[in-house]
Amino acid sequence: EDKVVQSPLSLVVHEGDTVTLNCSYEVTNFRSLLWYKQEKKAPTFLFMLTSSGIEKKSGRLSSILDKKELFSILNITATQTGDSAVYLCAVENNAGNMLTFGGGTRLMVKP
Amino acid sequence: DAGVTQSPTHLIKTRGQQVTLRCSPISGHKSVSWYQQVLGQGPQFIFQYYEKEERGRGNFPDRFSARQFPNYSSELNVNALLLGDSALYLCASSVLREQYFGPGTRLTVT
Repeated sequence: EDKVVQSPLSLVVHEGDTVTLNCSYEVTNFRSLLWYKQEKKAPTFLFMLTSSGIEKKSGRLSSILDKKELFSILNITATQTGDSAVYLCAVENNAGNMLTFGGGTRLMVKP
Repeated sequence: DAGVTQSPTHLIKTRGQQVTLRCSPISGHKSVSWYQQVLGQGPQFIFQYYEKEERGRGNFPDRFSARQFPNYSSELNVNALLLGDSALYLCASSVLREQYFGPGTRLTVT
């Protein structure tokens, strides 16, 4: 059974701090790994990673995938209160017909 | 462009009842997926439909069923509701691989 595990479960930081969120996976037919941000209801897409070692970057957020060690990290630098959310990691299977999600990391950024 | 829309926003049902949730994908998106998100957990895959055909099914009982219409909108049906079916039901549409999620329907079973 495919499995995605995120750590830590929750994190409290202050504005300006840098955070690293972790995602490890065990899947039989890996196609890509995705990161989503969920503030209230709808998860919003952040990154899709398919190749090892290539960093994806968007503003203060960046992510990288290690397909040998089966994990990914999401970095957020200079955190802001608006970064407070649940961050979800998901793995797409080879058929492209389903995402397997981890349990999420709840990030709270205090002023 | 409008995003993925879902209705209703909230729903309260009693154990044993049946419920139908609706989803309208982004214009041009032919694929719709359904996920169940229990409080404090990540979303869990239920179904994917593409061009009205079921392309994938997660590990859910037969009480859960879905269909997709010619206009690519979709319905998720849940029969014989249990307390454990209380969750946020998310619909996502996609045209290639990136899935765009709707705001969800919050179902409470009492």
